Amino acid sequence: DQQVKQNSPSLSVQEGRISILNCDYTNSMFDYFLWYKKYPAEGPTFLISISSIKDKNEDGRFTVFLNKSAKHLSLHIVPSQPGDSAVYFCAASEGRGGSEKLVFGKGTKLTVNP
Amino acid sequence: EAQVTQNPRYLITVTGKKLTVTCSQNMNHEYMSWYRQDPGLGLRQIYYSMNVEVTDKGDVPEGYKVSRKEKRNFPLILESPSPNQTSLYFCASSLWAGGLETQYFGPGTRLLVL
Repeated sequence: DQQVKQNSPSLSVQEGRISILNCDYTNSMFDYFLWYKKYPAEGPTFLISISSIKDKNEDGRFTVFLNKSAKHLSLHIVPSQPGDSAVYFCAASEGRGGSEKLVFGKGTKLTVNP
Repeated sequence: EAQVTQNPRYLITVTGKKLTVTCSQNMNHEYMSWYRQDPGLGLRQIYYSMNVEVTDKGDVPEGYKVSRKEKRNFPLILESPSPNQTSLYFCASSLWAGGLETQYFGPGTRLLVL
């Protein structure tokens, strides 16, 4: 049973517009969420995280929103740039210092067109 | 330069022939982890280690072994590889288990088991 779901395998947006990547989870014990970005032939790199005590975390062009009641989070990129084209993974754990397991979604491939 | 190195980067082997993929980090990180990435399945955690001599199973540990005799090294051992272990493998490390946003990933090892 997949505990972290990214239901859109791909997303295509125009440069300058907003990209919204979605993630749903089923395990109510998850309370720490991370987004990773992955380019081909490279390992993933950390992008942004959010703890369940918050509903929003912002870092430059990247904002993550968390809706605990809906068990849903989203990553907003605005404005989108061609260099943002990559695969984005949502991941969840049972909190800092809790379970050390990290569960990933299947990823969403974002393409930003010039 | 802070980095996680994996060797080999590419490996073709045959069913049943024992192999080891090495992972080393130079950041004095306590937490290390192995993941595999498969098409349509995203990243899945195989094993993780909180510190020297402390290891635990992730979501897909079957067919794998690990050891953590030194802080910097976390080798992944396939005692009797099978074709379903053909995958892209990533090693990662972070300062501590609760600091997953500091997690650095290696460049990946692409394994083909015939």
